[in-house]
Amino acid sequence: GAVVSQHPSRVICKSGTSVKIECRSLDFQATTMFWYRQFPKQSLMLMATSNEGSKATYEQGVEKDKFLINHASLTLSTLTVTSAHPEDSSFYICSARDRRQFYEQYFGPGTRLTVT
Amino acid sequence: QKEVEQNSGPLSVPEGAIASLNCTYSDRVSQSFFWYRQYSGKSPELIMSIYSNGDKEDGRFTAQLNKASQYVSLLIRDSQPSDSATYLCAVNMRERGSGNTGKLIFGQGTTLQVKP
Repeated sequence: GAVVSQHPSRVICKSGTSVKIECRSLDFQATTMFWYRQFPKQSLMLMATSNEGSKATYEQGVEKDKFLINHASLTLSTLTVTSAHPEDSSFYICSARDRRQFYEQYFGPGTRLTVT
Repeated sequence: QKEVEQNSGPLSVPEGAIASLNCTYSDRVSQSFFWYRQYSGKSPELIMSIYSNGDKEDGRFTAQLNKASQYVSLLIRDSQPSDSATYLCAVNMRERGSGNTGKLIFGQGTTLQVKP
């Protein structure tokens, strides 16, 4: 149980384009999903907290107009990187919190974004 | 002072030995504590959660929590080369004014190397 999928696993795009990343909880309902970014040899950086049916809460320093988050259902959240630039190249990972459990978060496999 | 601190390592142990990973957290009303394992290039995987003082054992892993000392540790018995990874300590903290949002605060991780 507690499986989270992400799609795509890897994406290469040109500077100025937008990229959408999907995060799905496959065998549980997730009232809350989280989006992280991780640069090489660094720890996870929380970008935003996404609650089903409401607006996402962004961490300080994260541009909400650049990183659009939609949590349309209890099993799906999407992150759209708009007008991507090379400095947005990173490993993007989502996690989901099972509404039946305490505060455990289960991570998706991640999406490696490269902007050329 | 960082909210969650870990020694970045690397911690090197011979195969079959006990690996001891430590984590301290800042003075807040911390709720829950987690250990994640992250292999290079992969997303974190939850291996242990602990909520109350004392020890919790699961197979070769034992988590220890001491809230008075604000300290949580992970012991890995009979370490194997496949245990070589970065271990992330994560703490769920209640934030003043926001209640418990479910957010996890991660340490920077300790790299473990198990040598055959």
